[in-house]
Amino acid sequence: NAGVTQTPKFQVLKTGQSMTLQCAQDMNHNSMYWYRQDPGMGLRLIYYSASEGTTDKGEVPNGYNVSRLNKREFSLRLESAAPSQTSVYFCASSEGSGAGRVNEQFFGPGTRLTVL
Amino acid sequence: GNSVTQMEGPVTLSEEAFLTINCTYTATGYPSLFWYVQYPGEGLQLLLKATKADDKGSNKGFEATYRKETTSFHLEKGSVQVSDSAVYFCALNSGGSNYKLTFGKGTLLTVNP
Repeated sequence: NAGVTQTPKFQVLKTGQSMTLQCAQDMNHNSMYWYRQDPGMGLRLIYYSASEGTTDKGEVPNGYNVSRLNKREFSLRLESAAPSQTSVYFCASSEGSGAGRVNEQFFGPGTRLTVL
Repeated sequence: GNSVTQMEGPVTLSEEAFLTINCTYTATGYPSLFWYVQYPGEGLQLLLKATKADDKGSNKGFEATYRKETTSFHLEKGSVQVSDSAVYFCALNSGGSNYKLTFGKGTLLTVNP
């Protein structure tokens, strides 16, 4: 039981390049999330997927796209990377809403992205 | 909207000192409250949680009590260790928007031997 896994762990891009961050969970969770973490800003939600087949914008969605590929996988794409997207990206998952559910989130180890 | 305010760090303590990290919140409905911990170079881990007023969450010697009257969820530990050095995040999940967590900005704790 690996929990939430993310690839790659580290990435360096040049401005304008594109890339996809991968995330997978093996806990049969319904909901998945992408956050970015910047110094002094805490965690900010980029996009989330409440259930398979749905995605919604979070607090800072500009410059990103997501795909909920199936129940296990949720990817984050940067189409044209910018230096402002230099950050640490975390994927998380949770059971999802429903009676009696606290919706505790489980986090992956993060991807450290630098855009030059 | 929902918001979480936690005390700004960094906080530096000596081993065996008492720790308090303040957290207050604004939320609609009846939120669940969480403390997450992030050790250097790692992702966030759930430290403890409380789902209703007067609940006390506890784990690894840390405690926090859900105080609805003061909208607070302060984190405490009686005797910190060097291994507790990490960033601590307070968060809430409002019943009105059950999919998302709202996080505070985090408090860096450094414990010196």
